[in-house]
Amino acid sequence: AQSVAQPEDQVNVAEGNPLTVKCTYSVSGNPYLFWYVQYPNRGLQFLLKYITGDNLVKGSYGFEAEFNKSQTSFHLKKPSALVSDSALYFCAVRDEAGGYNKLIFGAGTRLAVHP
Amino acid sequence: NAGVTQTPKFRILKIGQSMTLQCTQDMNHNYMYWYRQDPGMGLKLIYYSVGAGITDKGEVPNGYNVSRSTTEDFPLRLELAAPSQTSVYFCASSFPPGQGATGELFFGEGSRLTVL
Repeated sequence: AQSVAQPEDQVNVAEGNPLTVKCTYSVSGNPYLFWYVQYPNRGLQFLLKYITGDNLVKGSYGFEAEFNKSQTSFHLKKPSALVSDSALYFCAVRDEAGGYNKLIFGAGTRLAVHP
Repeated sequence: NAGVTQTPKFRILKIGQSMTLQCTQDMNHNYMYWYRQDPGMGLKLIYYSVGAGITDKGEVPNGYNVSRSTTEDFPLRLELAAPSQTSVYFCASSFPPGQGATGELFFGEGSRLTVL
């Protein structure tokens, strides 16, 4: 079965410093990977995805993610964190069991960016 | 565009009561989903639908029912509310992958349900 793991419940970063939010995955077949962000009392917003091609994927709000097949990882990164980046981040993998498209989500990582 | 719209945003139920969470989307997506979000647990899939008249169970379907009579609407019904159903519920929709789409989901703003 497809699964994703986010090993950190919370990541703390000072504003202006680079940030990384970790995600590892387990899939049979080619991985389709996604990152979403959730601000307080809001729905999930799509940030970026990896389908195929370049291992470095660029997304919204200056975020990028690095796909590493050998380490089965898809870490979310940003060169310079902003206080407004503070939110809950979810990694997800596409599950095509039964022939239908579904997303399996990790438990989420709370990012806190301090001034 | 409205995207995915959920109602109500908040609701308090007593144990044993029933209610329906409404979800509608205006993006002509074939696929629709209901997830629940519990602290530290991420999102768990309750039910999904690949088109009008077709629904299937996800990871945590017990205590819920769905229907899909139109492309736009995908209501979620709780028949006998229990405290374990206290959660935030999210509806989402997507195109089927392989038709120029890659499977990302579009989410509503959520419905916060408390069962007392």
